Amino acid sequence: AQSVTQLGSHVSVSEGALVLLRCNYSSSVPPYLFWYVQYPNQGLQLLLKYTTGATLVKGINGFEAEFKKSETSFHLTKPSAHMSDAAEYFCAVRTYTGGFKTIFGAGTRLFVKA
Amino acid sequence: DAGVIQSPRHEVTEMGQEVTLRCKPISGHDYLFWYRQTMMRGLELLIYFNNNVPIDDSGMPEDRFSAKMPNASFSTLKIQPSEPRDSAVYFCASSRDRRTYEQYFGPGTRLTVT
Repeated sequence: AQSVTQLGSHVSVSEGALVLLRCNYSSSVPPYLFWYVQYPNQGLQLLLKYTTGATLVKGINGFEAEFKKSETSFHLTKPSAHMSDAAEYFCAVRTYTGGFKTIFGAGTRLFVKA
Repeated sequence: DAGVIQSPRHEVTEMGQEVTLRCKPISGHDYLFWYRQTMMRGLELLIYFNNNVPIDDSGMPEDRFSAKMPNASFSTLKIQPSEPRDSAVYFCASSRDRRTYEQYFGPGTRLTVT
């Protein structure tokens, strides 16, 4: 079955430190992978996506993610955390179960300490 | 574009009452999705439409839930009768991209059933 696993429901970093949010997926079809961000009391917003081609994908707000097929991973990184990055982050995969659907991970809440 | 519009933003109702949530997708988007978000279960896909036709309603919890899309610019999610366990944030999302299913989310409706 297709799935997305986000390692760590909560991640805390200091302002200026590296952000690393982990995501592993399983998919029976070539995966299209996404990271979405949700700020408090708002809907999800697309950060970046991988479809085909270059495996290092750059998104908004300085985030990037690398698709590693051999590891079935799509980890999200940002070199230097900012207070405004505090939010919940969702990894997602487009998958096929008799029709295409997007499966979301459980989410990782990022805390940024001053 | 105004983005995906949902109404109401907040709804408080008593158990047993009918609740109707509304969504206006982004113009030109022919996929529409309804999700439910809770702390316990995360983000769950309830149903999605393509060109106003329900494609997959396997996530609809039970017969108390129903969704319609009478035209390309309007959809409703109805719960009757409502129960306290239906309390959640309900999101509507729309998509134009048939290949990646990149989704644009509305701000959500926070439903509280007492």
